Amino acid sequence: KNEVEQSPQNLTAQEGEFITINCSYSVGISALHWLQQHPGGGIVSLFMLSSGKKKHGRLIATINIQEKHSSLHITASHPRDSAVYICAAPSFPNAGGTSYGKLTFGQGTILTVHP
Amino acid sequence: NAGVTQTPKFHILKTGQSMTLQCAQDMNHGYLSWYRQDPGMGLRRIHYSVAAGITDKGEVPDGYNVSRSNTEDFPLRLLSAAPSQTSVYFCASSYRTGGEAFFGQGTRLTVV
Repeated sequence: KNEVEQSPQNLTAQEGEFITINCSYSVGISALHWLQQHPGGGIVSLFMLSSGKKKHGRLIATINIQEKHSSLHITASHPRDSAVYICAAPSFPNAGGTSYGKLTFGQGTILTVHP
Repeated sequence: NAGVTQTPKFHILKTGQSMTLQCAQDMNHGYLSWYRQDPGMGLRRIHYSVAAGITDKGEVPDGYNVSRSNTEDFPLRLLSAAPSQTSVYFCASSYRTGGEAFFGQGTRLTVV
């Protein structure tokens, strides 16, 4: 079982739809990252959150530390939102060796929004 | 702000050749790391550095070397390229471990 799991792996939506991507993790974390990667492009950090909810434009990220679950929501989706969305969980800073500062990534969710 | 700059963006290398992927950040971040991204494998950490002069291995370090002589630069060296090193490489920085991560645009490397 992967330490960070995302669902769904693929998501197709029509423009304007409300979208939810889920991330569950089994590692102990200090915060959770949501990243965005456009086809052939670089990786952009969308959110880093350790509790509650964060909002940026049409993007909302929530996290429930007790349940080890986070969600990324996109309201009024648009074709330019088409990208791969990745959640990542960092190891606790005091973990040693190869796990020190390690980000464990989910497999990513491929989102396609049609006009 | 440049953020994290990676060069080159694309490169084709022959088996057995060596090369250096460059990573430079201008945010005075202490923590830098190199990842490779492969289909179906996600992103995996190759090497990382918590400060100038300090580097350590990630989960897939074999065939790669790094050094950190200053805060800004963190080059990744392929010692003797193999087709298995065909991948997209990302450099990432953060102010501290576990902090918000800033990624470079990636280097798409093909080893033939």
